[in-house]
Amino acid sequence: AQTVTQSQPEMSVQEAETVTLSCTYDTSESDYYLFWYKQPPSRQMILVIRQEAYKQQNATENRFSVNFQKAAKSFSLKISDSQLGDAAMYFCAYLEYGNKLVFGAGTILRVKS
Amino acid sequence: NAGVTQTPKFQVLKTGQSMTLQCAQDMNHEYMSWYRQDPGMGLRLIHYSVGAGITDQGEVPNGYNVSRSTTEDFPLRLLSAAPSQTSVYFCASSYRGRNIQYFGAGTRLSVL
Repeated sequence: AQTVTQSQPEMSVQEAETVTLSCTYDTSESDYYLFWYKQPPSRQMILVIRQEAYKQQNATENRFSVNFQKAAKSFSLKISDSQLGDAAMYFCAYLEYGNKLVFGAGTILRVKS
Repeated sequence: NAGVTQTPKFQVLKTGQSMTLQCAQDMNHEYMSWYRQDPGMGLRLIHYSVGAGITDQGEVPNGYNVSRSTTEDFPLRLLSAAPSQTSVYFCASSYRGRNIQYFGAGTRLSVL
């Protein structure tokens, strides 16, 4: 079974600075999807960014970008120009066949003003 | 467009009670899933469905029952609640063959 590991239970960043959240995964598949979800205190799960494994180019969504290293099975999230509204729990997730998500344990991001 | 709607938002049960968590989506999605979220463990898949009349077990199915009689609804039943089922429950849906899942707002369940 696929596994997803987020090794940073908690991270802090100064407002306007850049922070990188780490994620590694284990799979024997060659074609798959990876996601980062944000969960603010409201509890709502918000899709931040997704990456298709067969695409070499790293995905970018405004201030959010990923560093996808397929051979190393690494999928880190970089948040640039951090804002107070970025404070949340962030989950890395792998999409299994059948549209089933496997989540990491999450990283709490705190943003300091 | 309501998206994925979960009810109730909060619930407190006593050990041994039964209840049903409701999930409905209005996007005509084929795939629907139930996850539970526990501290330090992320979200884990309980049950999922790839279409009306078809359900299957996920990673943590024990103590839960599901059925899918319509495309829109996917209720999760707790037959005899246990304190270990205290958690936050999320329902999600997606199109078949597509990869973005849409989540409901979650249900916080406490079993005393």
